[in-house]
Amino acid sequence: GDSVTQTEGLVTLTEGLPVMLNCTYQTIYSNPFLFWYVQHLNESPRLLLKSFTDNKRTEHQGFHATLHKSSSSFHLQKSSAQLSDSALYYCALSDRVDSNYQLIWGSGTKLIIKP
Amino acid sequence: EAAVTQSPRNKVAVTGGKVTLSCNQTNNHNNMYWYRQDTGHGLRLIHYSYGAGSTEKGDIPDGYKASRPSQENFSLILELATPSQTSVYFCASGDASLGGGSQNTLYFGAGTRLSVL
Repeated sequence: GDSVTQTEGLVTLTEGLPVMLNCTYQTIYSNPFLFWYVQHLNESPRLLLKSFTDNKRTEHQGFHATLHKSSSSFHLQKSSAQLSDSALYYCALSDRVDSNYQLIWGSGTKLIIKP
Repeated sequence: EAAVTQSPRNKVAVTGGKVTLSCNQTNNHNNMYWYRQDTGHGLRLIHYSYGAGSTEKGDIPDGYKASRPSQENFSLILELATPSQTSVYFCASGDASLGGGSQNTLYFGAGTRLSVL
């Protein structure tokens, strides 16, 4: 079946350093949609960015990601981490099942930014 | 911004008791979902619905029932609550219909923190 893999369960970085959170996926659907959701402490997950276009960079709130279908990847990046980026980040895949879409979640990466 | 409202926000229940978690969305989304979130497990899908009158089992449905009486409302029911069901529960809605344009972007409620003693 379809799956999403986030290899890092916890990433700890110093403020100002670049961020890269890994996300790879498996699906038989040729046109998947990939998402990054962010969840700050004591809040609910919310959409950070999404993409379905191969090799096109998507940006939002200082973060960016590029969907690479050749490597089945959708890594999340930011050039300079801020303390407020500390949160739980989920990568998710949406693909087509019959007349609807299903959503597959990665296990999440907790990002901690230290001063 | 899409609106999803959960009630109650906090609940303490006794083992063996019945618990009902409610969710209301005003986005006219077809799909609604119930997830639980526990440390080390991420988001796990309990039940979901494609529209009024429909409920489907997710990945961990045992011990839970769901009800979708209308487009707007989706409830999660624990008939006999157990301490293992202590968790944070999130409801979400999304437009997953083909041609809907949102590609199944989900909008989450604020969550319900349930403790079963």
